[in-house]
Amino acid sequence: EVQLVESGGGLVKPGGSLRLSCAASGFTFSVYGMNWVRQAPGKGLEWVSSSSTGSRFTYYADLVEGRFTMSRDNAKNSLFLQMDSLRVEDTAVYYCAREEITSGYSFDYWGHGTLVTVSS
Amino acid sequence: SYELTQPPSVSVSPGQTAHITCSGDKLGNKYACWYQQKSGQSPVLVIYRDTKRPSGIPERFTGSKSGNTATLTISGTQAMDEADYYCQVWDSSPAYVFGTGTKVTVL
Repeated sequence: EVQLVESGGGLVKPGGSLRLSCAASGFTFSVYGMNWVRQAPGKGLEWVSSSSTGSRFTYYADLVEGRFTMSRDNAKNSLFLQMDSLRVEDTAVYYCAREEITSGYSFDYWGHGTLVTVSS
Repeated sequence: SYELTQPPSVSVSPGQTAHITCSGDKLGNKYACWYQQKSGQSPVLVIYRDTKRPSGIPERFTGSKSGNTATLTISGTQAMDEADYYCQVWDSSPAYVFGTGTKVTVL
């Protein structure tokens, strides 16, 4: 059974940092692209970042470019999101999601999400 | 940046058909997919590659596309279908784009 379990969320002050993790199981992690997607309270889904299978290519949404860094450890089946210079508007539930290219670039599995609150 | 537009809300009576549209520039040249998100839960993929249904998704969910508009149709809508629905495409800049979301209410 495919499982994605996020952790690392919490309360942080503006300008602070936080590191999210996503533990994957039930599939061959190294052959899948992975993504982070966030959802602010009461708002819609927003794509944050994407990592190719070997981390050779990593892409970011304009709003987080230069502040967030996505990485992965294929040996430990883990995905990470280092978030620096956090802003109030970064407050959201952050989901990790598996990318399925053969399905037309869709996200076929999602984690339960981890809440990040940026507030003074 | 690329944008996908959905109606904010759709209301449907139980057993009737709901249509949720998603419009975007050159959407006809991209694959669209759809997610269902029930209150307090993670999104679930219900349609991929415009018209394909993942294993386990009921047949009452169908996808279609005409020109630059993709449509998710829920036939014989049930109370359990009440949720937010999002379309999504892959675009080169940025990589992925989600629609604005549609709240489906089953009256």
